[in-house]
Amino acid sequence: QVQLQQSGPGLVKPSQTLSLTCAISGDSVSSDSTAWNWIRQSPSRGLEWLGRTYYRSKWYNDYAVSVKSRITINADASKNQFSLQLNSVTPEDTAVYFCVRGYALGIWGQGTMITVSS
Amino acid sequence: DIVMTQSPDSLAVSLGERATINCKSSQSVLYSSNNKNSLAWYQQKPGQPPKLLIYWTSTRESGVPDRFSGSGSGTDFTLTISSLQAEDVAVYYCQQYYSTPLTFGGGTKVEIK
Repeated sequence: QVQLQQSGPGLVKPSQTLSLTCAISGDSVSSDSTAWNWIRQSPSRGLEWLGRTYYRSKWYNDYAVSVKSRITINADASKNQFSLQLNSVTPEDTAVYFCVRGYALGIWGQGTMITVSS
Repeated sequence: DIVMTQSPDSLAVSLGERATINCKSSQSVLYSSNNKNSLAWYQQKPGQPPKLLIYWTSTRESGVPDRFSGSGSGTDFTLTISSLQAEDVAVYYCQQYYSTPLTFGGGTKVEIK
């Protein structure tokens, strides 16, 4: 079955870059029938979609306006994974971050609690 | 952005009774290619990621008990738990996947009365 395994540090200092990776098993990041998303959850903001990458003969990305100037989502087909980079983080970026497959979001990573603090 | 509004915020139901959760989208989420509404429901228990229960408004995900059902049209949608079980205590979310940004409702907490 399809599984997503997240990795990355749980503590990030303000103004620095948050980096997470999501390793895929049981599917391909280059699949032309799905998309690969990053979503975060916090008590103040609820479930918030950050962006996605998907492959349709070439790679596409969509990003939430709220983070568009700070976010990059990349896919690495050779490692069958995708990643999130969020620059210039502030304490408001403290949340649980999930990598997720789909449009209806059927497969979720385990979640990573990210704390932004000095 | 499409705003998803859920009601109620919380709900206490006796075991074996029906639970009904409502979700309203700020605009249509009808996907013209299949004439289905791009509306999904999730269940989230503490310390776990959300779990997909229903997509395309009324299609149950594999393995989801048939006491969970979804309905709706236009901009109004409903998740029904026909006979509440103890393991159904959770927070439930609706989500539209018609357009980006994907957006979620604020959640409904279901408890046992």
